[in-house]
Amino acid sequence: DAGITQSPRHKVTETGTPVTLRCHQTENHRYMYWYRQDPGHGLRLIHYSYGVKDTDKGEVSDGYSVSRSKTEDFLLTLESATSSQTSVYFCAISEWDRGRDQAFFGQGTRLTVV
Amino acid sequence: GQQLNQSPQSMFIQEGEDVSMNCTSSSIFNTWLWYKQDPGEGPVLLIALYKAGELTSNGRLTAQFGITRKDSFLNISASIPSDVGIYFCAGRSGNQFYFGTGTSLTVIP
Repeated sequence: DAGITQSPRHKVTETGTPVTLRCHQTENHRYMYWYRQDPGHGLRLIHYSYGVKDTDKGEVSDGYSVSRSKTEDFLLTLESATSSQTSVYFCAISEWDRGRDQAFFGQGTRLTVV
Repeated sequence: GQQLNQSPQSMFIQEGEDVSMNCTSSSIFNTWLWYKQDPGEGPVLLIALYKAGELTSNGRLTAQFGITRKDSFLNISASIPSDVGIYFCAGRSGNQFYFGTGTSLTVIP
């Protein structure tokens, strides 16, 4: 277990409402990522962070924002949820140690937008 | 985003058989990772590869970092029922990891 906690694990929300998903790590890793997983698409990067207050967009960032005010927490916000954002969301953490890097995943958040 | 082509998409095999799957990319990667995902869970790291040509084992699993740095292979020997799941490859380029679309493995007892 890589010390990653996602909350909530399940959420149902209405179209147009804002939603925030939380990722918490106890590993003090520098890099944190948010992915969404959809059938036929695998894991697609939404946003990632390379340090406190340092974030960048991934390939499917439209409609999402992120914040990282502390090393251990990375928040993903859906500003106005749409049905196309129904998905399973995974947080991952990574650190480079002497040229070696690995990414570890949380257990996921299943979000349904109705 | 960068495309990782993973094949086959699905496999149905008898218990005890060996399994091979691969991942190819149009771009060079510095790291290749292989994951297994069980239903309702997050991907779990199986093997990490860091150098072209590297061959690494983890129990019955063996993975190789292709010489061209654009591909990687995963083999599972003597499959057992608990090998069932979806296997993903991932490659690192810069700060990002890119994932294949997965190979769904079914093991028939």
